[in-house]
Amino acid sequence: DTGVSQDPRHKITKRGQNVTFRCDPISEHNRLYWYRQTLGQGPEFLTYFQNEAQLEKSRLLSDRFSAERPKGSFSTLEIQRTEQGDSAMYLCASSPKLGEQYFGPGTRLTVT
Amino acid sequence: GEDVEQSLFLSVREGDSSVINCTYTDSSSTYLYWYKQEPGAGLQLLTYIFSNMDMKQDQRLTVLLNKKDKHLSLRIADTQTGDSAIYFCAEIGTGNQFYFGTGTSLTVIP
Repeated sequence: DTGVSQDPRHKITKRGQNVTFRCDPISEHNRLYWYRQTLGQGPEFLTYFQNEAQLEKSRLLSDRFSAERPKGSFSTLEIQRTEQGDSAMYLCASSPKLGEQYFGPGTRLTVT
Repeated sequence: GEDVEQSLFLSVREGDSSVINCTYTDSSSTYLYWYKQEPGAGLQLLTYIFSNMDMKQDQRLTVLLNKKDKHLSLRIADTQTGDSAIYFCAEIGTGNQFYFGTGTSLTVIP
């Protein structure tokens, strides 16, 4: 399968713990996006990479959130000191050019 | 920020046409999109339209764009039960940020 993959698919964690999610984009896609989706809502943009450079960050991305794409291929999204309000589906998408996006299946985070 | 709005629910009978509507606010949007999300699955790109087009047809899907009113619609002809899903309208705003609507849940009644 050459689509976008995300790992893990589900994560349950206790409040205050740190979590890290991974996204593997479609190979040769130089653009990568992270979104958060809560129940009944559309995806909300979090951050965007072009190759290894993080070019945009949403105001939604508090200082507890950090994302990296060290070699311009896979990306990680870390949430420190998780809160119950962080419970959501975290979606990754990759893109070969402006205007196209292909989404992964998402990582569902539950903070207890 | 950009605001993309959709009605929340739509029910149609199998075989009828479905029309899902969306309004957006960013007049500088270059592309507008329709995505489909089935339960437990990621978002699937259905179709998109460039902002200088009025209409785009792709098999059973027809997208209409009214730039003056900032209104986008998706028509699904001969709706099937497999079309039941949530449909999201999205626009690409300034920079590279995508803005999604809240989604329209389409239920197809056999």
